[in-house]
Amino acid sequence: GAVVSQHPSWVICKSGTSVKIECRSLDFQATTMFWYRQFPKQSLMLMATSNEGSKATYEQGVEKDKFLINHASLTLSTLTVTSAHPEDSSFYICSAAGGNSPLHFGNGTRLTVT
Amino acid sequence: RKEVEQDPGPFNVPEGATVAFNCTYSNSASQSFFWYRQDCRKEPKLLMSVYSSGNEDGRFTAQLNRASQYISLLIRDSKLSDSATYLCVVTRGGAQKLVFGQGTRLTINP
Repeated sequence: GAVVSQHPSWVICKSGTSVKIECRSLDFQATTMFWYRQFPKQSLMLMATSNEGSKATYEQGVEKDKFLINHASLTLSTLTVTSAHPEDSSFYICSAAGGNSPLHFGNGTRLTVT
Repeated sequence: RKEVEQDPGPFNVPEGATVAFNCTYSNSASQSFFWYRQDCRKEPKLLMSVYSSGNEDGRFTAQLNRASQYISLLIRDSKLSDSATYLCVVTRGGAQKLVFGQGTRLTINP
């Protein structure tokens, strides 16, 4: 079964609203979680690295005030897309790692902003 | 220049054919190398790790050439279920920080 659960699987929202995506590790403690974004026919691009209890590290070109990441516990990280616009429509995927556990991916969230 | 370069394809081959994909990476400090498979609208799944000595898993063979910074994947006796996008992946700045190639789309035709 899935060891990393990501919710929601898909969401449609109106421009200007904020959307929160959750990433949970189900049977291990995830000290590090990664957030990726994938536009159609493009590769997964790392957005940020999230360590439990500390601020996320964002990749160059990713606005930290627009993509808020919280990793308050060892099993949960959230990504909030604030004031979403149509150009934010994408496939967002998290991955989690911790201890001896290999890297696992969530099932992804397809965001459509209208 | 992209850090990981792949031919996006698409590749359309008949069932039973042998198909090979290549990938190059630009960061010589990359430590680990993988091939992932991604089905449409799904998360990527690890297909296999890649080593300099080459490794084989059933019909799949992967090879790494560190000197040329080149990675390959060979699929023998291809099945319809092999249709997917194959992602070349290297690590940067830590074993779990993955850098993905654009992916090569493969369609196996009956």
